[in-house]
Amino acid sequence: QQQVKQSPQSLIVQKGGISIINCAYENTAFDYFPWYQQFPGKGPALLIAIRPDVSEKKEGRFTISFNKSAKQFSLHIMDSQPGDSATYFCAARTGGYQKVTFGTGTKLQVIP
Amino acid sequence: DTGVSQDPRHKITKRGQNVTFRCDPISEHNRLYWYRQTLGQGPEFLTYFQNEAQLEKSRLLSDRFSAERPKGSFSTLEIQRTEQGDSAMYLCASSLVGGVGAFFGQGTRLTVV
Repeated sequence: QQQVKQSPQSLIVQKGGISIINCAYENTAFDYFPWYQQFPGKGPALLIAIRPDVSEKKEGRFTISFNKSAKQFSLHIMDSQPGDSATYFCAARTGGYQKVTFGTGTKLQVIP
Repeated sequence: DTGVSQDPRHKITKRGQNVTFRCDPISEHNRLYWYRQTLGQGPEFLTYFQNEAQLEKSRLLSDRFSAERPKGSFSTLEIQRTEQGDSAMYLCASSLVGGVGAFFGQGTRLTVV
């Protein structure tokens, strides 16, 4: 049972454009929603995270928008750069520790 | 580099053999996690330790899998009688109690032939 649904599966964006990745969840017990960035051959790296009592969080070029009533959240990457090309995973956590349920990933390619 | 370290990075084994992976977490982190990632998928939770105690195991962790963290520092994950379906990236992560997130190692890629 997939508890965190992620789309699109892949995304091609031109340099300077906005990359948008969407996720939806089912379990209302989730209390923390991190996004991870993964480069080939590397482990996932925590990028940015949000709690459900906040509607938006911005860190540099990365913004999470969170809609609690719709059980949806999204990652926006502003001014996308070729170095942002990676696979992005949304995730959701329960239990107060870092057991997270990951989405299926979005492979982002930023072309010059 | 004082990040999470995993060894080996790659392992090729024949079906039926046993394999063991090691994870060294960030030194002050008391929580340690094992995840499995197959190609094109997100990581899936396998098990979690707080200090030396194994507090949760996923249903994905069959009887052939065993994990230990004997002194609350490094951890090992052993797979007995490997099957081709065990081929995956095995990721270790660590965190602090109350920390903002888990830090992942680079993983051990297992190929069962």
